[in-house]
Amino acid sequence: LAKTTQPISMDSYEGQEVNITCSHNNIATNDYITWYQQFPSQGPRFIIQGYKTKVTNEVASLFIPADRKSSTLSLPRVSLSDTAVYYCLVVRNTGGFKTIFGAGTRLFVKA
Amino acid sequence: DVKVTQSSRYLVKRTGEKVFLECVQDMDHENMFWYRQDPGLGLRLIYFSYDVKMKEKGDIPEGYSVSREKKERFSLILESASTNQTSMYLCASMMDRASYEQYFGPGTRLTVT
Repeated sequence: LAKTTQPISMDSYEGQEVNITCSHNNIATNDYITWYQQFPSQGPRFIIQGYKTKVTNEVASLFIPADRKSSTLSLPRVSLSDTAVYYCLVVRNTGGFKTIFGAGTRLFVKA
Repeated sequence: DVKVTQSSRYLVKRTGEKVFLECVQDMDHENMFWYRQDPGLGLRLIYFSYDVKMKEKGDIPEGYSVSREKKERFSLILESASTNQTSMYLCASMMDRASYEQYFGPGTRLTVT
C-alpha cells in the first residue's frame, strides 16, 4: 500500500486558505484517498475522501491530479479552531482492508 | 450521529497482566478497527473485523488478539502486557466495504509499568 508523505507542520492566520499536500507515489488503481482531522485527546474525525479530480463538501475541498500521485486538502478561511493535526490516508478496501496513516501535518492557526 | 465508545480513557496495568480494551458502536456498522497511536508514528492498524467472529490482522498484530462476538462490540486483548505496549489505543467503526469513512472513539491511554 502506498506510503504517504506530508509536511510535518504548517502555520497560517485566521481567514486564510490553507492547502496541505500529500504525496502517495505508489498509489494503486483501487485505492482511495481520505483525510482526517485530529484534535488533542480525541480520535481522528473524517473530513473528505476522493478518487480523482475534485471533491468538495461543507468543510473542505480535495484536489487530486490525473496521475493520483498526490492530493491537496484545501481548507477555506481557517479559524483558530482549525488548529489540529491533519492526516492523509490511502485506503484499499478490496481483497482485504489496508490503510496507512502517516505522521500527519500539524496545522497551527494564529490570530 | 455515530457514537463509538471505549471502556476507559486511562488505564494503568502491570507488565504481564492480561488487558481487555472494549469498544462499542451504536450504528450497526459492519467493520470495526483497533489502532494504536504513538508520537511521530501516526496511527497503526492492529486488527480489524468485517463481521461478527471475523477478524483480520493489520500491520502490527503481534502481542494482541481480538474478539467480536456481537456486531456492536469489538475487544482488543493484550495477552501479557509489556512496556512497549504503552500507547494510545483507538477504536473505529465503518459502515461497510463501500464506505471509507471511519468513526473513531475517544481513545484509551494505556500505560504498562
